[in-house]
Amino acid sequence: EADIYQTPRYLVIGTGKKITLECSQTMGHDKMYWYQQDPGMELHLIHYSYGVNSTEKGDLSSESTVSRIRTEHFPLTLESARPSHTSQYLCASSEIRNTEAFFGQGTRLTVV
Amino acid sequence: AQSVTQLDSHVSVSEGTPVLLRCNYSSSYSPSLFWYVQHPNKGLQLLLKYTSAATLVKGINGFEAEFKKSETSFHLTKPSAHMSDAAEYFCVVSETGGFKTIFGAGTRLFVKA
Repeated sequence: EADIYQTPRYLVIGTGKKITLECSQTMGHDKMYWYQQDPGMELHLIHYSYGVNSTEKGDLSSESTVSRIRTEHFPLTLESARPSHTSQYLCASSEIRNTEAFFGQGTRLTVV
Repeated sequence: AQSVTQLDSHVSVSEGTPVLLRCNYSSSYSPSLFWYVQHPNKGLQLLLKYTSAATLVKGINGFEAEFKKSETSFHLTKPSAHMSDAAEYFCVVSETGGFKTIFGAGTRLFVKA
């Protein structure tokens, strides 16, 4: 069983609110990722990190930001949520040599 | 450049019949290839992976995939579908030892009783 956790699993929030999606892994992985997935669609990489103090933007432009202060923690923040941010957000981690990624169960975000 | 194409957005099979989910890829590097499964309201789970060892890869739940370099394909198969196999399946290509990871658009598998 992969040890990567996302909280909350589901979130409904009003427009303009600031939110942080949590992601933690206990496997000591250096690489961590955030993917966005709309229903029935493919995953799009929005952020990734090689390790502590490393953050990079992914293929899909996103208004969210991330931080990597600790190896095990990779939170994603939306400063002002909008309905267009409604989606599922998946966090993942892998070893530095790009072996398979382990995924969290996702956070399904709805902005009303 | 890397890309991955899942040739079918939906596949429907009857329980007990074979499953074939098709995936073609392109890569400038020696790729690592993966199949992930996503059940409703769940995260992704790794089914199997190819990382330049045996070309026929066996995964969990009776699935297997064959890496065919000449055809740039990595199709996923299972001899006999089970109702619990109904899910979304993603083919993924990664640069071996590197970072870039590309997901396919997914194939939704329906299994009829």
